[in-house]
Amino acid sequence: GEDVEQSLFLSVREGDSSVINCTYTDSSSTYLYWYKQEPGAGLQLLTYIFSNMDMKQDQRLTVLLNKKDKHLSLRIADTQTGDSAIYFCAERPTGNQFYFGTGTSLTVIP
Amino acid sequence: EPEVTQTPSHQVTQMGQEVILRCVPISNHLYFYWYRQILGQKVEFLVSFYNNEISEKSEIFDDQFSVERPDGSNFTLKIRSTKLEDSAMYFCASSEGAGEAFFGQGTRLTVV
Repeated sequence: GEDVEQSLFLSVREGDSSVINCTYTDSSSTYLYWYKQEPGAGLQLLTYIFSNMDMKQDQRLTVLLNKKDKHLSLRIADTQTGDSAIYFCAERPTGNQFYFGTGTSLTVIP
Repeated sequence: EPEVTQTPSHQVTQMGQEVILRCVPISNHLYFYWYRQILGQKVEFLVSFYNNEISEKSEIFDDQFSVERPDGSNFTLKIRSTKLEDSAMYFCASSEGAGEAFFGQGTRLTVV
């Protein structure tokens, strides 16, 4: 079945850029997503990218998609302590079902 | 900003009891979903619902589970006879179509 992989932990200093990486398996995925989960909270949609795009920028967030390598990344510029959370990559192949990665726990060090 | 709302935020139930988790999707959305996240594990798909019927379901979604859209606004997940392993965070989501999908804050279900 579909498999979405992420590294489990990332620590960065406040003000630096964070890059969270994700690999997925289903090349038919039409959309790829990044969700943020703060402690005890739900899944907040951060951004998503259509599979015919290479890059999408939204304020401090930049998503890069390499379809050939099935690699998705999320870059957060000027990372703040409020960005500390778990970040989930998700793919959405044919149908409605999302497949989520394990999540990357981002810790921002003041 | 429109949002998906779920109630209750936390539900504690005894093993074998029935629970109903409630969701109010975003009003103009047509697709509805339930996912769950067991503590420390991945977010897993349970079921999707469109046009008043189930469109997809996972292996997890067995006969103990059912979904319903009892009126124009609510979308419910019923677990008929809860087991300890049903303890998880349950997320409802909705989408207009193939793009953005919005998740609720989740209901933490604890089966004791």
